[in-house]
Amino acid sequence: AQKVTQAQTEISVVEKEDVTLDCVYETRDTTYYLFWYKQPPSGELVFLIRRNSFDEQNEISGRYSWNFQKSTSSFNFTITASQVVDSAVYFCALSEAWSSGDKLTFGTGTRLAVRP
Amino acid sequence: DTEVTQTPKHLVMGMTNKKSLKCEQHMGHRAMYWYKQKAKKPPELMFVYSYEKLSINESVPSRFSPECPNSSLLNLHLHALQPEDSALYLCASSQEERGGTDTQYFGPGTRLTVL
Repeated sequence: AQKVTQAQTEISVVEKEDVTLDCVYETRDTTYYLFWYKQPPSGELVFLIRRNSFDEQNEISGRYSWNFQKSTSSFNFTITASQVVDSAVYFCALSEAWSSGDKLTFGTGTRLAVRP
Repeated sequence: DTEVTQTPKHLVMGMTNKKSLKCEQHMGHRAMYWYKQKAKKPPELMFVYSYEKLSINESVPSRFSPECPNSSLLNLHLHALQPEDSALYLCASSQEERGGTDTQYFGPGTRLTVL
């Protein structure tokens, strides 16, 4: 069975601090996909990144960066110079490909509060 | 344009009411999903439609009835709900390319309260 663990339930930082959100996953599949979503208080899940299991390159997008390490089954997310607008719940997710439709296994989420 | 729309934004209903949630996407996606999310929990998959056919039903009670009238629309019909069904209901869609795992794009959700 697939599993995603986000051990940090809540994190509080002061604006401009860097913060890393941890994600550890378990799967028996050799081909899988990992995702990060952001859920602000409005409720919508906003897609941030998708990474497949064969691509271990780290990625940077503006203040966001992701570190994928298959050896430790981790896909961590770092926000550099955090801003109040980054306050949200962040979900890491893992997908198994079905013949029709894809099933996402979500972690329990990390609530990030960025204080001015 | 990665937009999925959902109506209504908020819905309050009694246990004897019948109501429907609506979801629409115009991205040409062929897979659509319903999720239920309780407070401080991750979304839970309810149903998946692929090419307008129901492909996954996660043992959801029959008081929830999905419908996919065409490739752009997804409805969730509600009847005789219980107070514990109060939650945020999220719709998502994905490309559904064969052999790949596609990104799911989510709508803003409908906050449902059952009295």
